[in-house]
Amino acid sequence: DQQVKQNSPSLSVQEGRISILNCDYTNSMFDYFLWYKKYPAEGPTFLISISSIKDKNEDGRFTVFLNKSAKHLSLHIVPSQPGDSAVYFCAANGWNTGNQFYFGTGTSLTVIP
Amino acid sequence: DTAVSQTPKYLVTQMGNDKSIKCEQNLGHDTMYWYKQDSKKFLKIMFSYNNKELIINETVPNRFSPKSPDKAHLNLHINSLELGDSAVYFCASSQLQGSNEQFFGPGTRLTVL
Repeated sequence: DQQVKQNSPSLSVQEGRISILNCDYTNSMFDYFLWYKKYPAEGPTFLISISSIKDKNEDGRFTVFLNKSAKHLSLHIVPSQPGDSAVYFCAANGWNTGNQFYFGTGTSLTVIP
Repeated sequence: DTAVSQTPKYLVTQMGNDKSIKCEQNLGHDTMYWYKQDSKKFLKIMFSYNNKELIINETVPNRFSPKSPDKAHLNLHINSLELGDSAVYFCASSQLQGSNEQFFGPGTRLTVL
């Protein structure tokens, strides 16, 4: 039962353009969402988060948008840089999940110089 | 000065053996976790410990047992290893109160032959 889904396993973008990574969830009780970035042979590292009381959170080149009615969130990276090439995981939890996070399967982003 | 460390990084072993993976965090966090990332890249939580109490125990085989000698350590013991146990195992930690951000270790790639 995969409650968080990332339907695009990979994405390629030209350097300087916008990267948009998508994530869908099924549990309407989720109220906190995070994006993690993972390089090969390393553990995921926290990138940005958003609470369900917001619909947008921005941190430098990274912006996360939340559409609660559609149970959808997206991560925008602009401008994309080669160093952004990594696997991006979406994660979510809610008041009824304790401290348990549900992760998507990740999207591998390649930024082409 | 690694925040969350795991040993070993790679583990190759025969079916039927018993093995352990160690995890240590120096962040002073209250909660530690073990995740399994299988061949489909699905990152799924296995266990979490809060102040030496197991608070999440997903439906993993009882061949897997977490051991927490103190708040900074959560080791994973696996008995009677099976081929299907081959995966990357990530340890993580978080502060239960406050930030929901989880800090991950670099992962341990387990290969069962």
